[in-house]
Amino acid sequence: QVQLVESGGGVVQPGRSLRLSCAASGFTFSSFGMHWVRQAPDKGLEWVALIWYDGTKKYYTESVQGRFTVSRDSSKNTLYLQMDSLRAEDTGVYYCARAYSSRLDYWGQGTLVTVSS
Amino acid sequence: DILMTQSPSSLSASVGDRVTITCQATQDISNYLNWYQHKPGKAPRLLIFDASHVQTGVPSRFSGSGSGTDFTLTISSLQPEDIATYYCQQYVHLYTFGQGTKLEIK
Repeated sequence: QVQLVESGGGVVQPGRSLRLSCAASGFTFSSFGMHWVRQAPDKGLEWVALIWYDGTKKYYTESVQGRFTVSRDSSKNTLYLQMDSLRAEDTGVYYCARAYSSRLDYWGQGTLVTVSS
Repeated sequence: DILMTQSPSSLSASVGDRVTITCQATQDISNYLNWYQHKPGKAPRLLIFDASHVQTGVPSRFSGSGSGTDFTLTISSLQPEDIATYYCQQYVHLYTFGQGTKLEIK
């Protein structure tokens, strides 16, 4: 069965960096695009980034453009989100999700990122 | 940017009730709309794709309709396990979620 397991969250100071990982199993990782979606405390879901199945195209929400970088390693079946210049407003639970056509059809349980001094 | 507005923001209903949640886009998105269910501490779950197609494994009491700018998610007979927050999401230009509708049992 499809499994997505995020890791790498934690407490980080404003301006610092953090890298999230999403380990995928149960499907051919190299055949699917992958998303990152986040949820700030007591807020709704916010789409963050998308990377194509082959890594050739990447898209970001405007608020993270230039600070976050999505990447993937198909040899490790792992998706990454490099987050630089972190801000308090980046605090939240970060989910990875599989892209099936334009659907986000499987999601992980999320990893919590807290940006605080 | 395309904004998605859901109504109501919260809803209290009884078991067995018919529940309707609406989602409105700021511009025509054809049928490029999905619906998700999210329970606290759990992974979000895809319910409906392309506005009206029920994802495999989702109970038949869930249905979706609409096109253009106005969309609806309907639960035909509310069950206790349906307590969650529901989100619409457009994908005509990148991806945008609605603000969510929190569904509670009366």
